[in-house]
Amino acid sequence: AQSVAQPEDQVNVAEGNPLTVKCTYSVSGNPYLFWYVQYPNRGLQFLLKYITGDNLVKGSYGFEAEFNKSQTSFHLKKPSALVSDSALYFCAATYSGGYQKVTFGTGTKLQVIP
Amino acid sequence: DGGITQSPKYLFRKEGQNVTLSCEQNLNHDAMYWYRQDPGQGLRLIYYSQIVNDFQKGDIAEGYSVSREKKESFPLTVTSAQKNPTAFYLCASSERQGTNQPQHFGDGTRLSIL
Repeated sequence: AQSVAQPEDQVNVAEGNPLTVKCTYSVSGNPYLFWYVQYPNRGLQFLLKYITGDNLVKGSYGFEAEFNKSQTSFHLKKPSALVSDSALYFCAATYSGGYQKVTFGTGTKLQVIP
Repeated sequence: DGGITQSPKYLFRKEGQNVTLSCEQNLNHDAMYWYRQDPGQGLRLIYYSQIVNDFQKGDIAEGYSVSREKKESFPLTVTSAQKNPTAFYLCASSERQGTNQPQHFGDGTRLSIL
């Protein structure tokens, strides 16, 4: 069975500092990995995805994520955090081949402190 | 603009009552999904549909029912058998299940018990 772990319920970072939100995954085949962001009382918005190729993936709003196959991780990063980045972040995983369901992590609340 | 529309935004259910949540998409996507979101538990899949007139149970289907009579529409009924329906319900769609394309989400319906 596939699984996604986000080990931190909440991450606090000062505005202007770099941020990292952690994600590890377990899937049976070649992974497809996603990051989404959710603002209060809204749906999830897609940020970026990894399918194949470069391990560093760039996405929306200055976010990027690093894929590490040996550590089965896909951490979300941003060089300089903004207060407006404060939101709930979800990592999700599926894998290639057939009709595979997407598994979501439990979410990490990012709080950027002015 | 293409997207997913969920209605109503807020819904209240009386004991013993069935209620139906609407989800409409104009993205021409084949696959549609219903998720339940509870604090600290991430997204849990209720039902999904890969194509019109076909749908499959997800991880927590008990007490819920769906239909997929049109490609654009995937309504969810929360039946009286669902004893703890209070949650935030999210509808999503994708080009088809199992691809490397991200899911697109509506802005959710918050269901509460009267």
